[in-house]
Amino acid sequence: KNEVEQSPQNLTAQEGEFITINCSYSVGISALHWLQQHPGGGIVSLFMLSSGKKKHGRLIATINIQEKHSSLHITASHPRDSAVYICAVYGSNYQLIWGAGTKLIIKP
Amino acid sequence: NAGVTQTPKFQVLKTGQSMTLQCAQDMNHNSMYWYRQDPGMGLRLIYYSASEGTTDKGEVPNGYNVSRLNKREFSLRLESAAPSQTSVYFCASRFRAVGVNTEAFFGQGTRLTVV
Repeated sequence: KNEVEQSPQNLTAQEGEFITINCSYSVGISALHWLQQHPGGGIVSLFMLSSGKKKHGRLIATINIQEKHSSLHITASHPRDSAVYICAVYGSNYQLIWGAGTKLIIKP
Repeated sequence: NAGVTQTPKFQVLKTGQSMTLQCAQDMNHNSMYWYRQDPGMGLRLIYYSASEGTTDKGEVPNGYNVSRLNKREFSLRLESAAPSQTSVYFCASRFRAVGVNTEAFFGQGTRLTVV
């Protein structure tokens, strides 16, 4: 079993839909990272959080430390949101442990 | 502010050839990392450098060597490329300290094909 599991692996939705991507982890962590990888390949950090909730534009990230679970939400999704979304956690030795990513496609 | 600069963007090698991937950051970060990304898998850590002058193996170090040339630069070398090293390689950096977690910043990636 991977230490960081993301679901779903693939998600296709219509423009405007509310999107949720989930991340569960089995290790003790100090913080969790949500990142975005566009088809061109570059990786961009979206959020780093260790408790509660963060919001940036149409993106919202939440984390529940007790349940070892985080969610990334996208409101009013748009085709330009199409990308791979990656969850990574900082383990006890401060190294990042990566999920396999969720491929999101938003259709117009 | 360039962030993390990684070169080259693309490379095709023949089996047995050698090459060095270059990475430089201008954010005064102490920690730098090399990852590889293969289809259907998460990023896997090859080597990292927690601070200038130190390097350590990650999850998949075999077939690679690294050099932390100075605080800014961290290079990855393939001495004798193999088809199994066909992958996309990412360099990353961040500031790391005990009790402190900061965002990691990534280079644009190097798409390497070994034929």
